Amino acid sequence: GENVEQHPSTLSVQEGDSAVIKCTYSDSASNYFPWYKQELGKRPQLIIDIRSNVGEKKDQRIAVTLNKTAKHFSLHITETQPEDSAVYFCAASSLRDDKIIFGKGTRLHILP
Amino acid sequence: NAGVMQNPRHLVRRRGQEARLRCSPMKGHSHVYWYRQLPEEGLKFMVYLQKENIIDESGMPKERFSAEFPKEGPSILRIQQVVRGDSAAYFCASSPASQGYEQYFGPGTRLTVT
Repeated sequence: GENVEQHPSTLSVQEGDSAVIKCTYSDSASNYFPWYKQELGKRPQLIIDIRSNVGEKKDQRIAVTLNKTAKHFSLHITETQPEDSAVYFCAASSLRDDKIIFGKGTRLHILP
Repeated sequence: NAGVMQNPRHLVRRRGQEARLRCSPMKGHSHVYWYRQLPEEGLKFMVYLQKENIIDESGMPKERFSAEFPKEGPSILRIQQVVRGDSAAYFCASSPASQGYEQYFGPGTRLTVT
């Protein structure tokens, strides 16, 4: 089955700087890669997703890149703000089955 | 236009009791997923259901756990004879179709076993 690895587990960046979170996946049949943000005590919420027919997608300060050959995908947050502090999960969905497999999460701290 | 609903939001059970967690998907969604999240950990897939069918239960413990999604009413995750290790947040998510569609999460049920 699919396995998703996520790094780093914790990331601290100065407000205004960029943050990058990286994930790898194992199943070459995976074709849908969502990113979720979870604030303390809240539900996970989708912030951006990418499908395997594109290499990059951007939405304001958030961008995701996908390298299918290397089975890597990354989340980039630019001009970070205090409200970006949260846990971020990457995930992958395989053509072989219908479930989404999540990485273990990255706790992002934005430092004042 | 209600989102995914879960109840109860908080549930306290003593060891050996049963826990029933309910999930009502978004209107028009026929696919429901249950996840377990331990403190400071990620989301672990448990089971995927469509109306009256369990599609994938590969993440469910073999004993004490069961799930259903009847033709009418919410999806239910049932944990029999709860143990302290069952204490976690249980999230359900729904989607309009299967693979490759966004899953919308409910607010979760926080189960505490005393």
